[in-house]
Amino acid sequence: DAGVTQSPTHLIKTRGQQVTLRCSPKSGHDTVSWYQQALGQGPQFIFQYYEEEERQRGNFPDRFSGHQFPNYSSELNVNALLLGDSALYLCASSLELAGTQETQYFGPGTRLLVL
Amino acid sequence: GQQLNQSPQSMFIQEGEDVSMNCTSSSIFNTWLWYKQDPGEGPVLLIALYKAGELTSNGRLTAQFGITRKDSFLNISASIPSDVGIYFCAGQMMDSSYKLIFGSGTRLLVRP
Repeated sequence: DAGVTQSPTHLIKTRGQQVTLRCSPKSGHDTVSWYQQALGQGPQFIFQYYEEEERQRGNFPDRFSGHQFPNYSSELNVNALLLGDSALYLCASSLELAGTQETQYFGPGTRLLVL
Repeated sequence: GQQLNQSPQSMFIQEGEDVSMNCTSSSIFNTWLWYKQDPGEGPVLLIALYKAGELTSNGRLTAQFGITRKDSFLNISASIPSDVGIYFCAGQMMDSSYKLIFGSGTRLLVRP
């Protein structure tokens, strides 16, 4: 049973650049959420995608955008990178069942360093 | 952003000792989750709680969903070196929110 996978594992960018992170959900899951985890802190919710649409968003600027594909995989895009965007980016997947969201399972994350 | 109040921040214990950590909030939650995160990896789900008062075990781990819906605790019995890591509580609020709100984590160190 394949778990949540993310790519790349590590990434180094410079300020002002753009980055795309990728996530494949756990087998059988249809919902993908993205979180940002700064060093020494708990993950912060960025947004969630279901049925290829963003259905909830956290307190992140429009520089953060995403997409969900028909196979349920997802991308997180960050434009005009700032030093403060350096963090571990986590993808979590879950299953929408009878109008209820089941438990979220996390991938290993992508470590982004902005110089 | 909004976070849960998780304590203690860190614990350094002797192998074989029991451990207890908890999370509190001023808001009501309809789901409480406990995750463990090892360095450089994503959080791994330990226990999920869905009902107020629910007490659930997973091996040496036991967690409870507080009766007020505003708190939860996690106990680890007879700790072993591989219990080392950061433990996070997370909750979903009762406003049909899909997001998880996380505590700041409890760093556990176990002395052999």
